[in-house]
Amino acid sequence: EIVLTQSPGTLSLFPGERATLSCRASQSVSSYLAWYQQKPGQAPRFLIYDASSRATDIPDRFSGSGSGTDFTLTISRLEPEDFAVYYCHQYGNSPQTFGQGTKVEIK
Amino acid sequence: EVQLVESGGGLVKPGGSLRLSCAASGFTFSNAWMSWVRQSPGKGLEWVGRIKSKADGGTTDYAAPVKDRFTISRDDSKNTLYLQMNSLKTEDTAVYYCTSRLGATGYWGQGTLVTVSS
Repeated sequence: EIVLTQSPGTLSLFPGERATLSCRASQSVSSYLAWYQQKPGQAPRFLIYDASSRATDIPDRFSGSGSGTDFTLTISRLEPEDFAVYYCHQYGNSPQTFGQGTKVEIK
Repeated sequence: EVQLVESGGGLVKPGGSLRLSCAASGFTFSNAWMSWVRQSPGKGLEWVGRIKSKADGGTTDYAAPVKDRFTISRDDSKNTLYLQMNSLKTEDTAVYYCTSRLGATGYWGQGTLVTVSS
């Protein structure tokens, strides 16, 4: 099973700042990596697929990059609604797996 | 409008069984690969398993903790996805979501809570 390790566990930032979230895979997943945002009490929201493609209706302040084992989700300027937990998800190998999440909180 | 609506959750004793359903609408269900993802209280997301469309073989894959206990199936005539859960354990307590990606859009249901407790 491929293990996804997200860092940092918590990111404390001010609105307007840039957020950089990391996801590292224990072996290559090619570009078969997605990112999700989740707020308390809500289902996850699909943000990025194939490592760098933005999902439908996702603002362009969200961007993804990477391939192989190292991936990054960048939020260029944090809006108040962006404070949430973010998960990476690999679907290139079975079983699929999720990272443990990064919480982006208001400083 | 695409909708995924889960049902069938509830309280069950360890060792018991439960069947979850996910009613789909607003898209061609028979063409979609469908997945179940769960989330234990206060924890992260955990992939449970996936079923391909019949056109792509209809095969299933499962996470190790549920393999041989859980079965995913689909009824394309009813636009419904199922998760049959047997030999339930306390660690299966979670909100269970059905989900699918259609092109550049990912869809999730609202989830149904399964509590395994004596």
